[in-house]
Amino acid sequence: AQKVTQAQTEISVVEKEDVTLDCVYETRDTTYYLFWYKQPPSGELVFLIRRNSFDEQNEISGRYSWNFQKSTSSFNFTITASQVVDSAVYFCALSDLNNAGNMLTFGGGTRLMVKP
Amino acid sequence: DSGVTQTPKHLITATGQRVTLRCSPRSGDLSVYWYQQSLDQGLQFLIQYYNGEERAKGNILERFSAQQFPDLHSELNLSSLELGDSALYFCASSPPGTGVSPLHFGNGTRLTVT
Repeated sequence: AQKVTQAQTEISVVEKEDVTLDCVYETRDTTYYLFWYKQPPSGELVFLIRRNSFDEQNEISGRYSWNFQKSTSSFNFTITASQVVDSAVYFCALSDLNNAGNMLTFGGGTRLMVKP
Repeated sequence: DSGVTQTPKHLITATGQRVTLRCSPRSGDLSVYWYQQSLDQGLQFLIQYYNGEERAKGNILERFSAQQFPDLHSELNLSSLELGDSALYFCASSPPGTGVSPLHFGNGTRLTVT
């Protein structure tokens, strides 16, 4: 069965600090996709990134970067020079390709609080 | 704005009642997914429809049902409501084609059962 674990339930940092959100996953699939979503206080779920299991290149988008390591089944997310607007709950998710369609298994989320 | 529209934003109802949540997917998307977010269960997949047909089923209770109409909008029906059904219900959509597309979520419907 698919499983996603985000061990950090809450992280609090001061603005401009770097912060890394951990994500560990379990799957028996050889092909799979990983995602990160952001849920700001307003409640919507915002797509941040998708990664497939064949692409282990790290990705950087502005202050955001992602580190995918298949050997440790991890897909960690780093925010550099955090800002108050980064305060949100962040979810890591794993696709289930055994089901037709695009069912995602979500981790429990990490609540990030960035203080000014 | 994800392009996925959910109505209503908030719903307050009593135990035993029935409600209908509505979702309009992004233009061009054929798949609609329903997810439930509750404090104790987190984000859970309920059901998926593709072009009017049920495609995948997750942890959806028998008291819940859904459908997707010819214009591709979808409705999630929740009946015999219990206090534990209070949650944020998200609809998401994705485009047709092979591969795994990101899901684009609506803003959710917050259901409160009293």
